[in-house]
Amino acid sequence: DTGVSQDPRHKITKRGQNVTFRCDPISEHNRLYWYRQTLGQGPEFLTYFQNEAQLEKSRLLSDRFSAERPKGSFSTLEIQRTEQGDSAMYLCASTGAFYNEQFFGPGTRLTVL
Amino acid sequence: GEDVEQSLFLSVREGDSSVINCTYTDSSSTYLYWYKQEPGAGLQLLTYIFSNMDMKQDQRLTVLLNKKDKHLSLRIADTQTGDSAIYFCAEKGNQAGTALIFGKGTTLSVSS
Repeated sequence: DTGVSQDPRHKITKRGQNVTFRCDPISEHNRLYWYRQTLGQGPEFLTYFQNEAQLEKSRLLSDRFSAERPKGSFSTLEIQRTEQGDSAMYLCASTGAFYNEQFFGPGTRLTVL
Repeated sequence: GEDVEQSLFLSVREGDSSVINCTYTDSSSTYLYWYKQEPGAGLQLLTYIFSNMDMKQDQRLTVLLNKKDKHLSLRIADTQTGDSAIYFCAEKGNQAGTALIFGKGTTLSVSS
């Protein structure tokens, strides 16, 4: 197993466009998390899934953001009508049976022009 | 509310010990973590400690937890240039399920 993977690693888009990111967690990890990290800050929680169920959303997750995990494996995070303030690193993490260990992917860096 | 604070920068010489400090506010935190982030990369889990422990040692890393003062530290022995990175302290908060609450990170610079 190669760990959590994310695609794409970098995305540059124009304001107003929609973007979608993908996260593949570690195999058999049933909890998956999305975080956002802006420059000079630590990651901030956006949402998490247990299997296919989205159990919690942060107030940071505006209605332009939507996340899915349809089959309880990979997840997608979509941002509609992107704004310059959405520019950040989007990180995905997963945990397995030992919920105390969260393993992060390499992140997707989004730049909104 | 939940908050995690860290000093922003630390500079040490190669071979010295580094100590990175962190304070947190949520007394009900069950686990506390240290992650390492290199430029342009994701976060690497270094170590974590359960809240009923005072100390945990893992090779060159020593974690000390003072639960009364809500203070966590990470000591890196024999610091190497490859240890240069941003180190994040995190707690497992209560308000967002099992999500982690991170500090802003401490940039460790190691000079040879």
